[in-house]
Amino acid sequence: QVQLQQSGPGLVEPSQTLSLTCAISGDSVSTDDAAWSWIRQSPSRGLEWLGRAYYRSRWHVEYAASVRSRLSVRPDTSKNHFSLQLNSVTAEDTAVYYCARWTHAESFFDTWGQGTLVTVSP
Amino acid sequence: QSVVTQPPSASGTPGQRVTISCSGSSSDIEKNFVSWYQQLPGAAPKLLIYANDLRPSGVPDRFSGSKSGTSASLAISGLQSEDEATYYCASWSDSLNPHVAFGGGTTLTVL
Repeated sequence: QVQLQQSGPGLVEPSQTLSLTCAISGDSVSTDDAAWSWIRQSPSRGLEWLGRAYYRSRWHVEYAASVRSRLSVRPDTSKNHFSLQLNSVTAEDTAVYYCARWTHAESFFDTWGQGTLVTVSP
Repeated sequence: QSVVTQPPSASGTPGQRVTISCSGSSSDIEKNFVSWYQQLPGAAPKLLIYANDLRPSGVPDRFSGSKSGTSASLAISGLQSEDEATYYCASWSDSLNPHVAFGGGTTLTVL
């Protein structure tokens, strides 16, 4: 059974970088049948897909247009985890952030992390 | 971003059947699988339906999904109080900027 465990700070100052990590157990970040995604949820934006990383002969990374210039999603094969880094945050980036496993074959999120409330505030 | 639309709210009495709609476009729902998630307050979303109409093990058969063209639906029969939650549909979008498109969510109240 795949499990995802998130870690990272709950408070980030404006203009700084938001960094979160998602540790994978029961699967490999290098699997070729899934993608490792970040999603956030806020009252104003609802559920918003941010980006993903996956391995298919080589690493692929895809980002939502709304955060593409500020977001980095990186897999770490040595630690079997993947991370999110969102630069230059503002109060609008305040949200609950989730990591999730996306199954390629039928296109759905079958496993979610527990969620991390990140508040952007001085 | 693709716009996938759900009604903000729905309601029903115990035992009733309720349906929640999810409306998309030719870029998302029409050409890609739809999945549904149930979210209880304070919890992460939980997979309810995948590949339009398939249920993961452990999900009661009271929940069913369907898709036609650019729309999809989630039906809950034999409504129970524990079904009170927010429900989201999702689909991959092959738009100019490919992404996962989520519906805005439907909050179901069991009266």
